[in-house]
Amino acid sequence: NAGVTQTPKFQVLKTGQSMTLQCAQDMNHEYMSWYRQDPGMGLRLIHYSVGAGITDQGEVPNGYNVSRSTTEDFPLRLLSAAPSQTSVYFCASSSPADTQYFGPGTRLTVL
Amino acid sequence: GENVEQHPSTLSVQEGDSAVIKCTYSDSASNYFPWYKQELGKRPQLIIDIRSNVGEKKDQRIAVTLNKTAKHFSLHITETQPEDSAVYFCAASDAGNKLTFGGGTRVLVKP
Repeated sequence: NAGVTQTPKFQVLKTGQSMTLQCAQDMNHEYMSWYRQDPGMGLRLIHYSVGAGITDQGEVPNGYNVSRSTTEDFPLRLLSAAPSQTSVYFCASSSPADTQYFGPGTRLTVL
Repeated sequence: GENVEQHPSTLSVQEGDSAVIKCTYSDSASNYFPWYKQELGKRPQLIIDIRSNVGEKKDQRIAVTLNKTAKHFSLHITETQPEDSAVYFCAASDAGNKLTFGGGTRVLVKP
């Protein structure tokens, strides 16, 4: 089991560029979510999904889109990158009402 | 929505002493309370969790207590060791798996 994987590990964007952060899990988990972690702070929920075809907004969804076409994958799209989106992004997955397992993170810098 | 507050933000202890981190939550519907440890540059890793039907749970040197009436829960680390130095996050979740994190506690164990 690879668990939760994320690509890329590092990314530098210019303001206004778009990109997709990839997340995949091989544990057949129904629940997947995206968090951002700013320096010295906790994790804030961006978007989450309770199953294929179902997504919903978290605490800080503005500027991000998600889709869930398969159980395994949950990509996060930045539509038009802004410096305020400089952060570390973590994807997580779990079974219902169970422990969430985190991916290794993507460190994003927007210039 | 749920709000989780965590104290203290930093904690320095002598090796061998105990460390206590406290969290309060606002939503009485929350029923799952995990604790994560995050080392520098790494992903959050679950160290212990507790559900609302249990008042206390122990795993070797780590214990968590939950007071549902007061809506607070605490992490206790006994006989601290240098490898316990990290940032610890509490979180609260309802049955929908949406985790709300506290702001984190940076623990430093001095040899």
